[in-house]
Amino acid sequence: DAKTTQPTSMDCAEGRAANLPCNHSTISGNEYVYWYRQIHSQGPQYIIHGLKNNETNEMASLIITEDRKSSTLILPHATLRDTAVYYCIVRLMGIQGAQKLVFGQGTRLTINP
Amino acid sequence: ETGVTQTPRHLVMGMTNKKSLKCEQHLGHNAMYWYKQSAKKPLELMFVYNFKEQTENNSVPSRFSPECPNSSHLFLHLHTLQPEDSALYLCASSYSLGLAGGPRTDTQYFGPGTRLTVL
Repeated sequence: DAKTTQPTSMDCAEGRAANLPCNHSTISGNEYVYWYRQIHSQGPQYIIHGLKNNETNEMASLIITEDRKSSTLILPHATLRDTAVYYCIVRLMGIQGAQKLVFGQGTRLTINP
Repeated sequence: ETGVTQTPRHLVMGMTNKKSLKCEQHLGHNAMYWYKQSAKKPLELMFVYNFKEQTENNSVPSRFSPECPNSSHLFLHLHTLQPEDSALYLCASSYSLGLAGGPRTDTQYFGPGTRLTVL
């Protein structure tokens, strides 16, 4: 799986949009970008994933650059409950069987009142 | 609630004890995973089960013994652990992609974890 690079930490004001960047310059054509978050001492929570088109769900939007070498997770109206470590993971899809996730250090996002 | 439950949520055990962690998923998935998260370290995969068969063991010491009796249940049996085994143990489940047809996504969903302290 391709390696990802994320900032160690970020701050955002409550009510503003939080934009979390991720670099994955070695991503291959059949690798997806996944985002999870982990609130302190809880299990990781799936947020969103995408291949090359921008994606949006009830939690967030995922913007993937045209060359697919980077992406941005957008939380449109951050709340205090969005304070967590956010993980950007690149992984193969369409492979038969069960595939592991490789977690990095992630970005510690702090939402300030 | 993700549809993946883990019990107990907290466990304190001595080095000579034998205990088991339990994971149950209610999502109809057929793959299950154990991950370990030590303090200030990324999550790391321990075991993968696909249709009840172990498909990956990430060089885990034998004092950790997994068991997957069916696609909905996963256990981690613990014996003679060391204090450095204290960590958050996380279970996850997903669909497992087949040769043709079937589910199109194998997104993993995690349980809340068991916080293990070894004295």
